[in-house]
Amino acid sequence: KAGVTQTPRYLIKTRGQQVTLSCSPISGHRSVSWYQQTPGQGLQFLFEYFSETQRNKGNFPGRFSGRQFSNSRSEMNVSTLELGDSALYLCASTSGGAYKETQYFGPGTRLLVL
Amino acid sequence: GENVEQHPSTLSVQEGDSAVIKCTYSDSASNYFPWYKQELGKGPQLIIDIRSNVGEKKDQRIAVTLNKTAKHFSLHITETQPEDSAVYFCAAMGNTPLVFGKGTRLSVIA
Repeated sequence: KAGVTQTPRYLIKTRGQQVTLSCSPISGHRSVSWYQQTPGQGLQFLFEYFSETQRNKGNFPGRFSGRQFSNSRSEMNVSTLELGDSALYLCASTSGGAYKETQYFGPGTRLLVL
Repeated sequence: GENVEQHPSTLSVQEGDSAVIKCTYSDSASNYFPWYKQELGKGPQLIIDIRSNVGEKKDQRIAVTLNKTAKHFSLHITETQPEDSAVYFCAAMGNTPLVFGKGTRLSVIA
């Protein structure tokens, strides 16, 4: 079974721009969660989508948004980029039946904001 | 909300020795505790997890123990090998999404 895939793997943007990241979950998985990983803050939860609905949201500003499509693929968008948004963005998928299932992570998208 | 503390932040061991990483959590409602290994350039990979109805779980050289009364859980790696070198994260989940510790960079010296 193919794992979680994320595109692009690397991205360079400038302040004020916006960016869209994509995540394809493991086949059959219906839940996708997004995390931001930085050296200072570690891994922080952004949001979770299940069956095209946002099921949970972390403590991030409204510039961070996401969506999920009917095929379970998910995108996250960051508008008006700031230098502090430079991070590794990870998505993880589960079958979604219950919260406490194993989350399988993708390789991440490394975003650099200049 | 949940808060997870992880210690130590860095750990160096000789090949063949054991390594222990400890985590504490704050939310008594947490009942799922996974451990992830992250290698350079890769996403975190689950190596073992434990649920609150179990006190200990073992998988070959890796074991996890859970003390719900004290709200702490630990990862034990025996007979360490150079390929065990990576960053390890603990996490806790209860009524909220996964909350991660800050990570432990393990170096196994050959």
